[in-house]
Formats: sequence, structure tokens, C-alpha cells
Amino acid sequence: GDSVTQMEGPVTLSEEAFLTINCTYTATGYPSLFWYVQYPGEGLQLLLKATKADDKGSNKGFEATYRKETTSFHLEKGSVQVSDSAVYFCALFMMDSSYKLIFGSGTRLLVRP
Amino acid sequence: EAEVAQSPRYKITEKSQAVAFWCDPISGHATLYWYRQILGQGPELLVQFQDESVVDDSQLPKDRFSAERLKGVDSTLKIQPAELGDSAMYLCASSLARRETSSYEQYFGPGTRLTVT
Repeated sequence: GDSVTQMEGPVTLSEEAFLTINCTYTATGYPSLFWYVQYPGEGLQLLLKATKADDKGSNKGFEATYRKETTSFHLEKGSVQVSDSAVYFCALFMMDSSYKLIFGSGTRLLVRP
Repeated sequence: EAEVAQSPRYKITEKSQAVAFWCDPISGHATLYWYRQILGQGPELLVQFQDESVVDDSQLPKDRFSAERLKGVDSTLKIQPAELGDSAMYLCASSLARRETSSYEQYFGPGTRLTVT
């Protein structure tokens, strides 16, 4: 079935370092891809999305490109801040009969001053 | 900015007791989702409503879990009896999504953290 695999965390970086969180997916069709962020004690917030191959989603300095050939949607940021510390979830969405989001297991990011 | 509301934010209950969670989606959102998120994992869909109808409840443990959305607006998720393994975050999300549109982005509430002792 459809699934999402993320790199295991925690990822620990110093402030202003470059961030990459890997995400790959398996899907029978052509999914839309999302990154959500979850701050401690809160629900999930949509960070960015891409709906077709080669689309680049971007928001708040974060970017991810939908790579169909490698079935990947890696999250990147050029310079992380302490406030970026959170758990990041990659997810795919299939517009079939159920309109269901399928999440990866999440990657915890810790940014130190 | 409109938000998905959930209550309570935290709930502690003893096993074998009944517990209920409430969700009020963003106004006008036709689709409502309940997810369960076990600590250290991603959310997993329990049940999905389109207006007042259940679209997908294939992962809902129906022997103890029930969900309703009687007027197609707010929703209640109930567990009876609660078990130790039900300790988790219960998230509600909503979206505009209807079959004839592509407005399928899901907006999440803050969640209810359930602890079963």
C-alpha cells in the first residue's frame, strides 16, 4: 500500500546550519505531497505542499521539490533558527475514494543556539 | 484566522471508563477527520466524515470506539471502555474537500492528550 518513509531523528543542528530532512514515498498513483510541522503540545500545521512532479513548495524559508524519478520530497532550509525546533512530518495525499493523508513517522529537529 | 477547536486539551481517565472528545471544524468545511497519534509516531486516520456521513472508518476499533457528526458540523469521538493502549493524542482535522473541488488541504486542531491509567 501507499506509504511514507522519513529519516529517523533526532536531527541536532547549530543555529544557522543547513537542514535536510529526507522523505521518500511509495504510491500506486500520483499523490500530492506535504510537509507538516508540530510544535510541542500543539497540533499539526501545514508547512508546504506540492501537487505534481517538479513542483517546489516553499514557506518560511523551507523548501521541498517533488521528485517523481526518485519518489522523494526532501525538506531543506538554508539557515535554521532555534524557533524551528519541532517535529516535521512528511505526508502524501491520494485523491482516490477516501481523500486520506498518509504520514511518515516524523523527524524531530533540535536547533541549539 | 479560523481554527479547528478541540476539547478537552488533556484528559486523564482510568481504564474501563468512558471518555469523549469534541471537535468543531472550520466553518464551511465539509470533511472532518479524527486521527490518533501515538507518541513518537505519525497520525493515523481513525474516521473520516463527509458532511454527516462516514466515508472511511476502516481503522476505527468499532468494539470500543464510536464517532458521530449528527448535523454535519461538530463531531464527538467516544471510547468505551478505555484501555491502557488508548493513551495517545487525538487530533481532529477539517478540509473543504468535496468531490467536485480540489480544496483538500487539512487543517488540524490542537489535539486532546489522553492518558489512561
